[in-house]
Amino acid sequence: EPEVTQTPSHQVTQMGQEVILRCVPISNHLYFYWYRQILGQKVEFLVSFYNNEISEKSEIFDDQFSVERPDGSNFTLKIRSTKLEDSAMYFCATNDIPDLHEQYFGPGTRLTVT
Amino acid sequence: GNSVTQMEGPVTLSEEAFLTINCTYTATGYPSLFWYVQYPGEGLQLLLKATKADDKGSNKGFEATYRKETTSFHLEKGSVQVSDSAVYFCALSDKEWGSYIPTFGRGTSLIVHP
Repeated sequence: EPEVTQTPSHQVTQMGQEVILRCVPISNHLYFYWYRQILGQKVEFLVSFYNNEISEKSEIFDDQFSVERPDGSNFTLKIRSTKLEDSAMYFCATNDIPDLHEQYFGPGTRLTVT
Repeated sequence: GNSVTQMEGPVTLSEEAFLTINCTYTATGYPSLFWYVQYPGEGLQLLLKATKADDKGSNKGFEATYRKETTSFHLEKGSVQVSDSAVYFCALSDKEWGSYIPTFGRGTSLIVHP
């Protein structure tokens, strides 16, 4: 069964450093999403992306965050200057028809900012 | 705004015990309701869903009924197995407001002992 993959599985970085989290969507999916879950808290929506532009974003997704699809396959989330409070599990999700079909989630990347 | 509240975990049960994980919601529109499951090391997977009042979603022996009068969507299973050990997330999406982005609860960890 097709699946969403994410790399790396765990990223440790120092405060102020840039990180890029990568996601490979299911091949025929066109809608992409990033979520995060701070330890012990809710899964929170960050951003959705379609047709090479952001469709929706939450108030969490500030100027420190950006997304792109650089090569037609990977979907990336960049955090320009990480803060301690960015430590969380980051999930990528994709689907083909948002109003009909579920989102398919990747296994997540655990980001630890020290 | 929309929100989902689910019972705190972990829930620890013996194999073949009855499971209930409570979930209540607050929504401004008429939401669809979901249960997602996350097995260790994997992404969130849709377990079941219900789109209107009194609908019952079911899958893999799990059931949940959309109760509009009590704004609840409790997850139940009659006889749990060790393989059901996972984190379970209740979620809603409120299509009335044009967004299919799910709002998640914090997740409830289920541990089933042999």
